[in-house]
Amino acid sequence: GAGVSQSPRYKVAKRGQDVALRCDPISGHVSLFWYQQALGQGPEFLTYFQNEAQLDKSGLPSDRFFAERPEGSVSTLKIQRTQQEDSAVYLCASSLEEVRDRTPNEQFFGPGTRLTVL
Amino acid sequence: AQKITQTQPGMFVQEKEAVTLDCTYDTSDPSYGLFWYKQPSSGEMIFLIYQGSYDQQNATEGRYSLNFQKARKSANLVISASQLGDSAMYFCAMREVPIVYSGAGSYQLTFGKGTKLSVIP
Repeated sequence: GAGVSQSPRYKVAKRGQDVALRCDPISGHVSLFWYQQALGQGPEFLTYFQNEAQLDKSGLPSDRFFAERPEGSVSTLKIQRTQQEDSAVYLCASSLEEVRDRTPNEQFFGPGTRLTVL
Repeated sequence: AQKITQTQPGMFVQEKEAVTLDCTYDTSDPSYGLFWYKQPSSGEMIFLIYQGSYDQQNATEGRYSLNFQKARKSANLVISASQLGDSAMYFCAMREVPIVYSGAGSYQLTFGKGTKLSVIP
C-alpha cells in the first residue's frame, strides 16, 4: 500500500513569503507528527495530531508556524513570513492509534519537504 | 526531558565486516523505547529496530542487533556483514512508552544528531 507522501518535495521561498507544506498520511493512521530536520542534525519534534485534534504543539518554534488537520487525514504545515533559519527538511510521520500498553506503534515517515529560504 | 547522544559523526567499515554505532540516552521516564532509523541520501527515515526498556532480551532484526545496557543507558546498534547499501545516516531515537496508555499522549520521538556510515568496498 501507499506510504506517507509529502508535497512539494522541494520548495524555495524568498524571505518573508508564506509557504504551505502538505502531508498525506497512511490511510487509517490516527496519529500524525511533524518534525523539522536542520542540515546535519536529527529531526526535532514540531507538533502532533490525533485525528483532527492538535494535542501537542510545544515544538513549534514561533507563532509563524501553524499546522492543521481539519478532517483527520491530510495535514498542512504553514509557515508565515519565512526566515532563513526556517530552511530545513520538514518530515511528516504517521502511526496507528496506541492501544496497547508498552507496545509503541511504528512511526512511518514521508520523504520530507526540503525548504530553502533565500 | 529526554536526550540522545551519538558521539560518532562518521564511521567507516569494510564491506562484509561488522560495525557498532554508539548511542547513549538520558530520560526520567520509567518506561521508554529506543529506536534506530536509517536515512539514505533520498531523505526518508527507515525504521530498523526497536528495544523496550522492560524487554529482557536484546532486540535483533536480521543483520541488525541492539546492544542494550540499561544501567549504562546505552543502546548501540550492531550491523553485521556490512553491505554497500548500508551507507547512510543512522539515527538513534527514543520516546516514552506508557505503562498505562492514557489515550491522549503525544509520544513524539527524540532523535540524536546521527552517525554517517560509509561502507568501503
